[in-house]
Amino acid sequence: DTEVTQTPKHLVMGMTNKKSLKCEQHMGHRAMYWYKQKAKKPPELMFVYSYEKLSINESVPSRFSPECPNSSLLNLHLHALQPEDSALYLCASSQVGSANQPQHFGDGTRLSIL
Amino acid sequence: SQQGEEDPQALSIQEGENATMNCSYKTSINNLQWYRQNSGRGLVHLILIRSNEREKHSGRLRVTLDTSKKSSSLLITASRAADTASYFCATAINDYKLSFGAGTTVTVRA
Repeated sequence: DTEVTQTPKHLVMGMTNKKSLKCEQHMGHRAMYWYKQKAKKPPELMFVYSYEKLSINESVPSRFSPECPNSSLLNLHLHALQPEDSALYLCASSQVGSANQPQHFGDGTRLSIL
Repeated sequence: SQQGEEDPQALSIQEGENATMNCSYKTSINNLQWYRQNSGRGLVHLILIRSNEREKHSGRLRVTLDTSKKSSSLLITASRAADTASYFCATAINDYKLSFGAGTTVTVRA
């Protein structure tokens, strides 16, 4: 069992839909991350939150909108997505916002855009 | 852009054999991490080796680091079916961003 919980596990949506991905951790970590992973590729960083503030946005299109309501929760709001956005979306957390710390990953949300 | 490159891309071994995979990176590092990803799952942190360490062990895993060659290797001894997974090395390219290598897919045959 992973200590980072992501919901839903699978999501199919049309290009005009609005949906949200959710991530939760109760390890007291103060940094949380969103990654996008295409099949047979490594994860690619999208956003980093440190102490509930957005620290990094890796030039992600505005149709992806992150939100960190508190230190345990991370959301990714989706709107008007494109077929190429179909991927596995992974959430991760670390004790502090440092890339030199181990990261704990959830099992991801597999997103399909019709 | 990826900081690390891994080889081989894929590896198939018999249960009980050892598996070795290599990672090369481009810039100076504070540490290097290895992660495992089973099919359909998230990444699991395996081991972190600091730049002043040359070798580190964790159970059946042995990691080496050669900063002069900017390379690392991961050895899995006495492989099991459960070791079938993709393995990624990762290094920090700035304070917040972890960059993963392309990964090595390991298949352990029964």
